[in-house]
Amino acid sequence: KNEVEQSPQNLTAQEGEFITINCSYSVGISALHWLQQHPGGGIVSLFMLSSGKKKHGRLIATINIQEKHSSLHITASHPRDSAVYICAVYFGNEKLTFGTGTRLTIIP
Amino acid sequence: DTAVSQTPKYLVTQMGNDKSIKCEQNLGHDTMYWYKQDSKKFLKIMFSYNNKELIINETVPNRFSPKSPDKAHLNLHINSLELGDSAVYFCASSQVGSGATQYFGPGTRLTVL
Repeated sequence: KNEVEQSPQNLTAQEGEFITINCSYSVGISALHWLQQHPGGGIVSLFMLSSGKKKHGRLIATINIQEKHSSLHITASHPRDSAVYICAVYFGNEKLTFGTGTRLTIIP
Repeated sequence: DTAVSQTPKYLVTQMGNDKSIKCEQNLGHDTMYWYKQDSKKFLKIMFSYNNKELIINETVPNRFSPKSPDKAHLNLHINSLELGDSAVYFCASSQVGSGATQYFGPGTRLTVL
């Protein structure tokens, strides 16, 4: 069965802390998406990865294909980073399968 | 310029009614999607269209019928609405092919009373 698991489900941290959100999947994939959903509800694509590492500003995403695992890191976290972060994967077809999301709250 | 737009943003209706949600993308993408996000915030694909042709239909009740008049539009029509249809519906688009970045609309919050 094609599954995507995220951890933690909820994460609260102080402003400035280094944040790590994890995503594991059950079988081989063709690509992995990290998405951000703000309290207002809109969904934004942060990264699309099929190997290695990508960086955009304070956000870093890594993927280990052999271990079927990806991480999203946020450096110098800020209250505006508070959102739900969702991992989604393509299991070799054009259909995205989503994780359950990680709710991140950054306290000033 | 809005890349993927949906109307309406909110939809409140009675059980048994028929309603439509419209989606338009101006990104020139070939593929469009409908997703449902339930009360626990879990996203699940409903349909995918590539160049006006249905390519994914995920065991969605027949009451849901997508319609794609052209590759820039994918509308969702729902017949005989039920309480369990209450959710947020997201439209998205991408270039064709597995692994393409998807761009999401702002969502439509449907409440069935």
